[in-house]
This record gives sequence, C-alpha cells and structure tokens, in this order.
Amino acid sequence: EIVLTQSPGTLSLSPGERATLSCRAGQSVSSSYVAWYQQKVGQAPRLLIYGAFSRATGIPDRFSGSGSGTDFTLTISRLEPEDFAVYYCQYDGAFGQGTKVEI
Amino acid sequence: QLQLQESGPGLVKPSETLSLTCAVSGGSISSSHYHWAWIRQPPGKGLEWIGSIYYSGTTYYNASLKSRVIISVDTSKNQFSLKVTSVTAADTAVYYCASLHGGGNYFDFWGQGTLVTVSS
Repeated sequence: EIVLTQSPGTLSLSPGERATLSCRAGQSVSSSYVAWYQQKVGQAPRLLIYGAFSRATGIPDRFSGSGSGTDFTLTISRLEPEDFAVYYCQYDGAFGQGTKVEI
Repeated sequence: QLQLQESGPGLVKPSETLSLTCAVSGGSISSSHYHWAWIRQPPGKGLEWIGSIYYSGTTYYNASLKSRVIISVDTSKNQFSLKVTSVTAADTAVYYCASLHGGGNYFDFWGQGTLVTVSS
C-alpha cells in the first residue's frame, strides 16, 4: 500500500507569492498516476493536475506539477485570493493528508 | 461534461447499513470511457478512497473497509450505489461520488457530497 506524505501541513503566504507544495511517496511510483486536487471549504475537491504534469481542463497556467519517483511538487507561481485552500495529492487509492495554503 | 449527484439518508443508526446513490448525467454509466468511485471525508479530516467499480464490473475496495462495502451499478437508472454495513460513529463523513479516469487513475468529476452522520 502506497503512503503519501505531504509537506508542509500549512503554508502561510500572501497573494502574489509563490507556493511550493510537496508530496512524497513511501516507494517509487509512476508519475502517470499522480494527481493533485484543490478543496475549498464546503466544496468538493477539484482536479488540478493529472499525470504529475498535465493541467485539467480550465485550470490556470499558474498551477504546475513536477516530480518523479518518490517526490512530486505542486507549484502555484503567483497566488491569487481564490487559491487559498487545501491541496491533496493522490496516487491510485491513496491520498496525502493535505496542505493548507492560508493567508 | 459529467455531472454527479449523491442522495441518501443523512442519519444512520449504529450497526445499521449506510446506503447512498449517485445519479450520473451528461454521459452513460455503461460507457467504456468511464469508471466510478466513492470517496469520503470525516469532518475536519482528509480524503479516504472507499472503492471503485470499473466498466467491466470489476470492483476494488479500500482494504480497511473491504469486508463492509459493496459498490454496484444500475444501468437502467444511470446510477451507481454504495452500501456500508455495520456502521459506527467512525463512518460519519461527507461521502462523495466521482468519476474515475481509467487511463490515469484520477478522479475527474465529483458530486457535491452528502453528509452522513452515524448516531442513535
């Protein structure tokens, strides 16, 4: 069973700043199956990135994914007010515990 | 674009069976392009995959829930369902249904979620 560990637990930033979120797998995984989601309070998660690098339909290009093996990263190049949320990585049936991006 | 909507009781008694349905619109549930999944989120906590059912009918369940969970599809109603037996307070959560992109194993469309509370 794959375990995904996200860091940091909380990221305190300001609008316009760059956010770097980490997701580490307990063993090497295929980047083809790594995805990232955004969840705002009271809403369902929304797919941001699939296949580690590909943006989902309608996702702004300030969101980008990278990584391979055991280490994957979600980068938000310039935070917009609507980007403050919780972000989860996912591989197969496993989710990370989430990173909260707050002001 | 797919749309999914969960429905079912918001309150279930301990030891009873939790039953939820997910209605799918914007596509056929029997299409080979789609697979289906249930995911839950306890209040204030993270996401937990419950299980998935593939176009072929094959099901996969979270090992921690496998003995209590059944996921099935009703093609006549274009919906799929979740049953969790012998529930306890630990099963209290928002339950989401989602479509599973088989090629990449990611969840591309989600329902809005429904809160199920287990309490007497």
